[in-house]
Amino acid sequence: GENVEQHPSTLSVQEGDSAVIKCTYSDSASNYFPWYKQELGKRPQLIIDIRSNVGEKKDQRIAVTLNKTAKHFSLHITETQPEDSAVYFCAASDLYGQNFVFGPGTRLSVLP
Amino acid sequence: DGGITQSPKYLFRKEGQNVTLSCEQNLNHDAMYWYRQDPGQGLRLIYYSQIVNDFQKGDIAEGYSVSREKKESFPLTVTSAQKNPTAFYLCASSMYFNTEAFFGQGTRLTVV
Repeated sequence: GENVEQHPSTLSVQEGDSAVIKCTYSDSASNYFPWYKQELGKRPQLIIDIRSNVGEKKDQRIAVTLNKTAKHFSLHITETQPEDSAVYFCAASDLYGQNFVFGPGTRLSVLP
Repeated sequence: DGGITQSPKYLFRKEGQNVTLSCEQNLNHDAMYWYRQDPGQGLRLIYYSQIVNDFQKGDIAEGYSVSREKKESFPLTVTSAQKNPTAFYLCASSMYFNTEAFFGQGTRLTVV
């Protein structure tokens, strides 16, 4: 089955700096890669996603890149703000969703 | 108000008792999922369902059971066979596989 690894497990950045979180996956059939943000005590919420026919997607300060050959994808957050502090999860899914697997998460702390 | 609702938010049970966690959605989603989240860890898939009266085991199904008698409902039973049931349980739904998953607010189960 699918295996998703995520690094780093914790990340601290100064406010205004950029943050990068990287994930790798094992199943070449995976073609949907969402990123979720979970604030303390709250439910995970989708922040951005990308499909295998696209190499990069951007939404304001957030961007995701995908390298299908290397089987890795990354989340980039620019101009970080304190409200970006949360746990971020990557996930990978194939067309049939039978391998909808989450990474272990990255705890991002944005320091003022 | 559309969404996915889990109840109760907090649940306490004695060891050896079965307990059922509720998950209801009015988003007309076909797919539903149950995840377990332990402190500092990612989301692990317990069970998922693509359509009514059909469901599949995830990575950690042992000690759990589900039913999908209605499209809107996907209850999870934590049985006495689950060796370490204390955890945060998240239910999610999506229109189809390979699309955004919406999460409920979670149920924190404590077994004493």
